[in-house]
Amino acid sequence: DQQVKQNSPSLSVQEGRISILNCDYTNSMFDYFLWYKKYPAEGPTFLISISSIKDKNEDGRFTVFLNKSAKHLSLHIVPSQPGDSAVYFCAASRNQFYFGTGTSLTVIP
Amino acid sequence: GAGVSQSPRYKVAKRGQDVALRCDPISGHVSLFWYQQALGQGPEFLTYFQNEAQLDKSGLPSDRFFAERPEGSVSTLKIQRTQQEDSAVYLCASSLGDGSSTDTQYFGPGTRLTVL
Repeated sequence: DQQVKQNSPSLSVQEGRISILNCDYTNSMFDYFLWYKKYPAEGPTFLISISSIKDKNEDGRFTVFLNKSAKHLSLHIVPSQPGDSAVYFCAASRNQFYFGTGTSLTVIP
Repeated sequence: GAGVSQSPRYKVAKRGQDVALRCDPISGHVSLFWYQQALGQGPEFLTYFQNEAQLDKSGLPSDRFFAERPEGSVSTLKIQRTQQEDSAVYLCASSLGDGSSTDTQYFGPGTRLTVL
């Protein structure tokens, strides 16, 4: 049973515009949420995280929003750059990490 | 820089063969994790070590899977009598602290296992 879901397998965005990646989860006991970025033939790289006691965390061009009542997490990238093209995984944690299936982002120059 | 390394990067095995996958974590990292990533899926937790102690092996899919970290650094994931459903990328990650939620995990590039 998939506890973390990313329902959009792919997303294309024009350079300079906003990219919004979404993630839903089912377990209300998760206490920490993360986004990882993955390039081909490399392992996932940590991008940004948020604790369940917060609803927003910002780091440069990347902002993560958490809506606990909706069990929904999103990652905003503004402005999007071609180098942001990668697969993005969301993950939720309660003792161990549970990953979504990933969203492939393509930023078009 | 000295990140997490894994070897081999690619492994092809015939069904029924045993394989051993190696992970070299970042020096000084206390915690080590193994994940299995099937095609089109996200990484799925297999097992977790804190130093040499295997504290959680709840994700290992069967008793054909065995992991060890005898000296608290390098780890080996062994799969006995491989089956086609074992074909996946096996990812290793390490973290500096106790492996809690806020302890950032650093991933290696993975070993892609193909079982024919």
